[in-house]
Amino acid sequence: DSGVTQTPKHLITATGQRVTLRCSPRSGDLSVYWYQQSLDQGLQFLIQYYNGEERAKGNILERFSAQQFPDLHSELNLSSLELGDSALYFCASSGLGFEQFFGPGTRLTVL
Amino acid sequence: GIQVEQSPPDLILQEGANSTLRCNFSDSVNNLQWFHQNPWGQLINLFYIPSGTKQNGRLSATTVATERYSLLYISSSQTTDSGVYFCAVDDAGKSTFGDGTTLTVKP
Repeated sequence: DSGVTQTPKHLITATGQRVTLRCSPRSGDLSVYWYQQSLDQGLQFLIQYYNGEERAKGNILERFSAQQFPDLHSELNLSSLELGDSALYFCASSGLGFEQFFGPGTRLTVL
Repeated sequence: GIQVEQSPPDLILQEGANSTLRCNFSDSVNNLQWFHQNPWGQLINLFYIPSGTKQNGRLSATTVATERYSLLYISSSQTTDSGVYFCAVDDAGKSTFGDGTTLTVKP
C-alpha cells in the first residue's frame, strides 16, 4: 500500500457526461500528479500540483481540469467525455524530492 | 521534451533466469525511477535512482547519468515478477515514462 488513495475505483459513464476523480496524497506529501494510461498511449503525464499551485502541465486536454485543495487532496474533472477518454487514471504524490508513489488508479469506461 | 526509450519491449524467461532491462534517455535528468506494473494494474516503486547503484533483494539498478542510461537487473526471476517495467524521468516538473518492457516469467 503506497499510502495514496483514489476514488472511485471504477466509473462507467456515457459520452458527453462529466466526472470527478479524487486523490488523497500520502501524509506529508505536498505534490500531486495525475496520469492517464490508455492502451495505445501508455502512461501520459497530465498535470502536477504543489501545495495548491499548478506546477507543471503535460498533455492535458482543455476538457480536463484539476485542482488541489488546502487539505492537499486533489480532484481531476473530465467533461464532455468521449469514447477515447476511457482509460486508467492514476494519481501519484511526492514529498520534497521527485520520488513518486502511485495510487491504485480509477478505471474510467465511457460508453 | 526528453525522450525515454526502453528495451527490449518484450521479454519471456523461464523461472530462475536472470535479465537486464535498459532505459535510455535523451537529455540530462535529475531524477529517474523504475516501476513495476503488476497484472492487476498496480504501479509499484522499485527504485528511485538518479545516479549510482542500488540493490533490493533480487533486483538491482544502475544509472549512469553522464551516459544517459539506466539498467534494471532481475536475478533468479519468479512468476510473480511478470508484468510491465517502466522507467520514468523528471523533465522540468513533467514526468516522462518509457513505453515499458513486458516481462513474462514462465514456470
